[in-house]
Amino acid sequence: KAGVTQTPRYLIKTRGQQVTLSCSPISGHRSVSWYQQTPGQGLQFLFEYFSETQRNKGNFPGRFSGRQFSNSRSEMNVSTLELGDSALYLCASSLVLAAYNEQFFGPGTRLTVL
Amino acid sequence: KNQVEQSPQSLIILEGKNCTLQCNYTVSPFSNLRWYKQDTGRGPVSLTIMTFSENTKSNGRYTATLDADTKQSSLHITASQLSDSASYICVVRTTGNQFYFGTGTSLTVIP
Repeated sequence: KAGVTQTPRYLIKTRGQQVTLSCSPISGHRSVSWYQQTPGQGLQFLFEYFSETQRNKGNFPGRFSGRQFSNSRSEMNVSTLELGDSALYLCASSLVLAAYNEQFFGPGTRLTVL
Repeated sequence: KNQVEQSPQSLIILEGKNCTLQCNYTVSPFSNLRWYKQDTGRGPVSLTIMTFSENTKSNGRYTATLDADTKQSSLHITASQLSDSASYICVVRTTGNQFYFGTGTSLTVIP
């Protein structure tokens, strides 16, 4: 069974631009969660999608948004990029809501904002 | 304030030795506690998930303990191997489905 895949793996953008990251969950998994990881803050939860609906949200500004498609694939969008958005963005999938199930993480997308 | 603190911040041990990592939390209302292992440049991998009623859970050479009364958890690694070198992250979830992450312990196993 293929694991969680994230594209692209690396991305370089400049301040003010926007970016879209993609995540394909493990086949059969219906929940996708997004996390931001930085050396200073560690792992921080962004949001979780289940059955195309956002079910949980972390404490991030509205510039961070996401969506989930009917095939459970998910995208995350960051608008008006700031230098502080440079981070590793991780996606995790689980069979049902992450609260009740083990999560499987993808390799992440390394975003650098110049 | 809901917080998760891990100690030590970093640890260096000899191959074959045992070690214990600590996680103290003030998160409530508690639902479950998870330990993850994250190799450099890769996503975290789940080691254990423990609920309020569980006080020990093992996964191979990894054994996690939970004391819900004192709000402490530990991860014990037995007979360490070079491949155990990684960051270990403790995550506590509330019944309201909020996640609180520790900043991790960086473990280096040397030959």
